[in-house]
Amino acid sequence: QSALTQPASVSGSPGQSITISCTGTSSDVGGYDYVSWYQHHPGKAPKLMIFDVRNRPSGVSNRFSGSKSGNTASLTISGLQAEDEADYYCSSYTRSSTRVFGTGTKVTVL
Amino acid sequence: EVQLVESGGGLVQPGGSLRLSCAASGFTFSSYRMNWVRQAPGKGLEWLSYISSSSSTIYYADSVKGRFTISRDNAKNSLYLQLSSLRAEDTAVYYCARDLEFCSSATCYGRGSFDYWGQGTLVTVSS
Repeated sequence: QSALTQPASVSGSPGQSITISCTGTSSDVGGYDYVSWYQHHPGKAPKLMIFDVRNRPSGVSNRFSGSKSGNTASLTISGLQAEDEADYYCSSYTRSSTRVFGTGTKVTVL
Repeated sequence: EVQLVESGGGLVQPGGSLRLSCAASGFTFSSYRMNWVRQAPGKGLEWLSYISSSSSTIYYADSVKGRFTISRDNAKNSLYLQLSSLRAEDTAVYYCARDLEFCSSATCYGRGSFDYWGQGTLVTVSS
């Protein structure tokens, strides 16, 4: 159950788009369309932003979008805003029916 | 409004035990699968355990298998995590999280996703 691999940090200026990658294996990311993304501000509860690779829960801005190719999933944040500065984690369902998170990415708005 | 409130954290010595609770409200607890997730200081999120709505199916991460036990009491709208043989590396904020999964016409959605989280309870393992 190795953690999924994410870049440690990604940054962008307000209004720009950024993309966070999440790389796993055929036993998790590549094997199922059950990838989700979470936004986590320190000291607060994580918030679900994307589920099933590309679906947004009600209330989540359409500036957040998800995709997947092979063993790598991606989260794109368009029209970057100051409040998007947070830690982001991907997660996947696995072949053994467990769940696994990514290593986390710190997003900085310049 | 969906609410999940964890409790039971605190300071415990290495090798000790602790029982965490998660009180659920604002939804039909007995209909939902539940999970525990933790975050060690300066580290990322780590999924720990899953329990089905009827407690018939349980999964654990390898890192806690044999030491942690998940359970629930649907009559009390509560989820539990029994922590034993605690180590310094178990120091973390522990979150309970509701499983999003729902199925319609033999197709399931949201498997492995967590749509509501508590604020967490801090467990510190130290002598």
